[in-house]
Amino acid sequence: GQQLNQSPQSMFIQEGEDVSMNCTSSSIFNTWLWYKQDPGEGPVLLIALYKAGELTSNGRLTAQFGITRKDSFLNISASIPSDVGIYFCAGLGYAGNNRKLIWGLGTSLAVNP
Amino acid sequence: GAVVSQHPSRVICKSGTSVKIECRSLDFQATTMFWYRQFPKQSLMLMATSNEGSKATYEQGVEKDKFLINHASLTLSTLTVTSAHPEDSSFYICSATRTSGTDTQYFGPGTRLTVL
Repeated sequence: GQQLNQSPQSMFIQEGEDVSMNCTSSSIFNTWLWYKQDPGEGPVLLIALYKAGELTSNGRLTAQFGITRKDSFLNISASIPSDVGIYFCAGLGYAGNNRKLIWGLGTSLAVNP
Repeated sequence: GAVVSQHPSRVICKSGTSVKIECRSLDFQATTMFWYRQFPKQSLMLMATSNEGSKATYEQGVEKDKFLINHASLTLSTLTVTSAHPEDSSFYICSATRTSGTDTQYFGPGTRLTVL
């Protein structure tokens, strides 16, 4: 099925460093979402973006909805050990009468204390 | 708000048995619920979209007779894996969208199914 291009695939950083990851698509989306998934858990919504160009923050997290509506980035500032996990981007698209999420492959983040 | 629960959190069963997984929206009404499957170190794979009171819409390649979905109320959807086999072992996750508001999906904690 259709997937978003998410990069990097994995990151290993030192505590306190800033992190940046991004997603691109060949299709336009009207909504971009960023989720974090811990091992053995379901994804948790971090930030939702609804307008092209929108820049939204949630604590140390900042995400932007690209002006072309084909990309988005997520930044994490001053990383801490609990930031460890897999981060997924997702675009909300249509499939027939249903709206469904198109997922990136995830960015695995490891933080060295 | 927007809490979604799943039950059970993990289940181990013998090959050939059927397993039912429940997904509940605890503090909101969900017109639409989604069922995903996730293999280790991979992204979520949508299996089906379920609208309350109507038949589920299955993704290509997902057997509807194998994975039975019932969405009988605005707060409950169930996925039944019929005649489970070892290859059905996976992490199954549901999500729900609010009846009113945006289409943001809120996810349950997942169910780990192991078929022996």
